[in-house]
Amino acid sequence: DAKTTQPPSMDCAEGRAANLPCNHSTISGNEYVYWYRQIHSQGPQYIIHGLKNNETNEMASLIITEDRKSSTLILPHATLRDTAVYYCIVSLFSGGYNKLIFGAGTRLAVHP
Amino acid sequence: ETGVTQSPTHLIKTRGQQVTLRCSSQSGHNTVSWYQQALGQGPQFIFQYYREEENGRGNFPPRFSGLQFPNYSSELNVNALELDDSALYLCASSDLRDNRPGNTIYFGEGSWLTVV
Repeated sequence: DAKTTQPPSMDCAEGRAANLPCNHSTISGNEYVYWYRQIHSQGPQYIIHGLKNNETNEMASLIITEDRKSSTLILPHATLRDTAVYYCIVSLFSGGYNKLIFGAGTRLAVHP
Repeated sequence: ETGVTQSPTHLIKTRGQQVTLRCSSQSGHNTVSWYQQALGQGPQFIFQYYREEENGRGNFPPRFSGLQFPNYSSELNVNALELDDSALYLCASSDLRDNRPGNTIYFGEGSWLTVV
């Protein structure tokens, strides 16, 4: 079962920041938060991941609350090509393997 | 480009047949995982291979099996295909050299399997 809750859909205007929320209230101390996106019929694309500190890379920023029960993915200047399903995932690391448990994701539509 | 390549990209099989899907992991990655994604759903974890051994498995029956080779490439085999096996099969590679959580996991573009 997915350990995250995301809104099913969001809209964003091109050029504006897209802020995608995620709740993971049952996250454990050593579980990471991952974000992936999937553009129609393609493989999931890695965006970013973090444990408890905020993270930033060339694609996005990840803001994790201090209690780690929620996070926000920020795309600073959304473009039409950012239209995709965005998955927030809490990774289960058990027995030496990393298992990504995907939920339904958020369908982000970026419009002109 | 993730460096994870899968083949074939599309294939059609008949119910009851067997299928083999192939994956080449990103250079330097020693771990391969397989996921099944049915239409309109998120990917579901099938299993993971590390150092040629299956070291984790999701809720899939034994007719789903795999192999990992010394060069870290991998195969997913599905026997006795059922109509519900129609899905996108995704391979993901990572480096568990440090055997710790939090490593980056990269996916390939997948193999579309249609069972008729």
